[in-house]
Amino acid sequence: GQSLEQPSEVTAVEGAIVQINCTYQTSGFYGLSWYQQHDGGAPTFLSYNALDGLEETGRFSSFLSRSDSYGYLLLQELQMKDSASYFCAVHNQGGKLIFGQGTELSVKP
Amino acid sequence: GAVVSQHPSRVICKSGTSVKIECRSLDFQATTMFWYRQFPKQSLMLMATSNEGSKATYEQGVEKDKFLINHASLTLSTLTVTSAHPEDSSFYICSAIPDRDNQETQYFGPGTRLLVL
Repeated sequence: GQSLEQPSEVTAVEGAIVQINCTYQTSGFYGLSWYQQHDGGAPTFLSYNALDGLEETGRFSSFLSRSDSYGYLLLQELQMKDSASYFCAVHNQGGKLIFGQGTELSVKP
Repeated sequence: GAVVSQHPSRVICKSGTSVKIECRSLDFQATTMFWYRQFPKQSLMLMATSNEGSKATYEQGVEKDKFLINHASLTLSTLTVTSAHPEDSSFYICSAIPDRDNQETQYFGPGTRLLVL
């Protein structure tokens, strides 16, 4: 079977740094993506890692270790608008995405 | 950009009726689109892969006769929920991979919220 694990919720304050971890167990792996979803909205693509290492895009960075089947999303200089659900997703063959259960991030003043 | 639209955004129907949801890629062609379902506070569950010019591929446990998918053109896929029942009430989201890109990024539609009474 395929499974992805990430924390169900994380709370942090404005300006802080938060890391959301994701471990996965899948039958096929082509990469790991991260998506943000606000209540009632569509998922928005944040980042993608196919190879080991760190990818940085503005305040967001994502890391992947294929040997450890592990990745994380790092959010810096947190803002209130970052309060949302964050999903890691494994890329399977044919472009299929298998999503984790999501981490609800609450940013407090 | 890469914009995906869905129509309708919200639909309420009676039990036993059928509902059609459209997914369009507005500024790119997409041979491959995906349909997901998301229940409140839960993850997105892949239902099926929609391929232009061929039959859809359904994930395990998804009834192909209940969730009819038609990929009529390179910019349009439709999902029809046949004989809808209250347990089909959910948030249905489509996504598309631009033919011009590699398969790294899927662009999601805004979703369709279905309520079956």
